[in-house]
Amino acid sequence: EIVLTQSPATLSLSPGERATLSCRASQSISIYFAWYQQKPGQAPRLLIYDASNRATGIPARFSGSGSGTDFTLTISSLEPEDFAVYYCQQRSNWPLTFGGGTKVEIK
Amino acid sequence: EVQLVESGGGLVQPGGSLRLSCAASGFTVSSNYMSWVRQAPGKGLEWVSLIYRGGNTNYVDSVKGRFTISRDNSKNTLYLQMNSLRAEDTAMYFCARLTGDDWYFGLWGRGTLVTVSS
Repeated sequence: EIVLTQSPATLSLSPGERATLSCRASQSISIYFAWYQQKPGQAPRLLIYDASNRATGIPARFSGSGSGTDFTLTISSLEPEDFAVYYCQQRSNWPLTFGGGTKVEIK
Repeated sequence: EVQLVESGGGLVQPGGSLRLSCAASGFTVSSNYMSWVRQAPGKGLEWVSLIYRGGNTNYVDSVKGRFTISRDNSKNTLYLQMNSLRAEDTAMYFCARLTGDDWYFGLWGRGTLVTVSS
């Protein structure tokens, strides 16, 4: 099973600041990787797929990068609605697995 | 409107059974890869099961032999039959449609809560 480790667990930032979230895979997964956003009481929402492609309707302030084992989600300038928990997911190997999440909270 | 609506969750005793349903609208379940993902209270996401367009299925090891994913094409509905339930199965269960052959979760329902407790 591929283990995804997200860091940091919590990121405390102010609106307008840049957020950088990381996810490391226990083995190479090429670019078969996605990021999701989840707000309290809601289902997750797909943000980024294949490491760097924005899903439909996702604002340009969200960007993804990386390949192999190390991946990054960058939010260029945090909006109030961006404070949420972010999860990474790999589809390279079965079972499909998610990271433990990074909470982006208001400082 | 394209959406997924789950139902069937509730409180069940350890060892009991429950069947979850996921009604789809705006698209055809049998033409898509469909999945169940769960989230224990205050925890992260865990993929549970997937049904391919052709009807083949796949499961995470922890539910193999206990859970069965299926669909009813006439009702455009996805199901998850859960038997021999354990306390560790307590979670919000989300139904999700995958993004074609990419196996990312592109459309989610709001979830249904399953609590396994005596």
